[in-house]
Amino acid sequence: QQPVQSPQAVILREGEDAVINCSSSKALYSVHWYRQKHGEAPVFLMILLKGGEQKGHEKISASFNEKKQQSSLYLTASQLSYSGTYFCGTTPLVRYTGANSKLTFGKGITLSVRP
Amino acid sequence: NAGVTQTPKFQVLKTGQSMTLQCAQDMNHEYMSWYRQDPGMGLRLIHYSVGAGITDQGEVPNGYNVSRSTTEDFPLRLLSAAPSQTSVYFCASSRRQIGELFFGEGSRLTVL
Repeated sequence: QQPVQSPQAVILREGEDAVINCSSSKALYSVHWYRQKHGEAPVFLMILLKGGEQKGHEKISASFNEKKQQSSLYLTASQLSYSGTYFCGTTPLVRYTGANSKLTFGKGITLSVRP
Repeated sequence: NAGVTQTPKFQVLKTGQSMTLQCAQDMNHEYMSWYRQDPGMGLRLIHYSVGAGITDQGEVPNGYNVSRSTTEDFPLRLLSAAPSQTSVYFCASSRRQIGELFFGEGSRLTVL
């Protein structure tokens, strides 16, 4: 089952901040974030494992609330290069083995940064 | 360093034809997977493999077969192409089961 991403689209001006959300109805082991530019392959941003950690990548950071099965991606002081489609992917938490490597992605959110 | 290589990049098929999308990686990655990308649908997992000789189904496996006889190669076979399989296909690999995915450039398939 695909995770659900919100909002559907984001339009920003350079320097503004944005938050993209990702939620699942299942218990999660990990959340993955990727960015894809038009006509290109997705590119890895970060992985968050269960434990509620927050990670950062340049001016992009993310959090993972495992109790709520939600993750948020924070983009601060956005740059033109941040434009693209952002995908979250999730792997389920499996009771006896702990992790399952079946990574499913959401439908993606288009983010446009304007000068 | 080639990374993940997909061939062909473009292919046009007629309904009912079969074909194989090739995927090879030179990074000695354990984990490999195939996704299809359609407008508004995101990336949907077709099949994945956690190592040579081990494969498993993803979200949309019907109409596709895979095998993993070597660590490097993970071909995706379309048994009898249908227009609904028109899509962009991405192969990806990762050093471990939960890790950064490296994607190939994609293969655009059109089924008439």
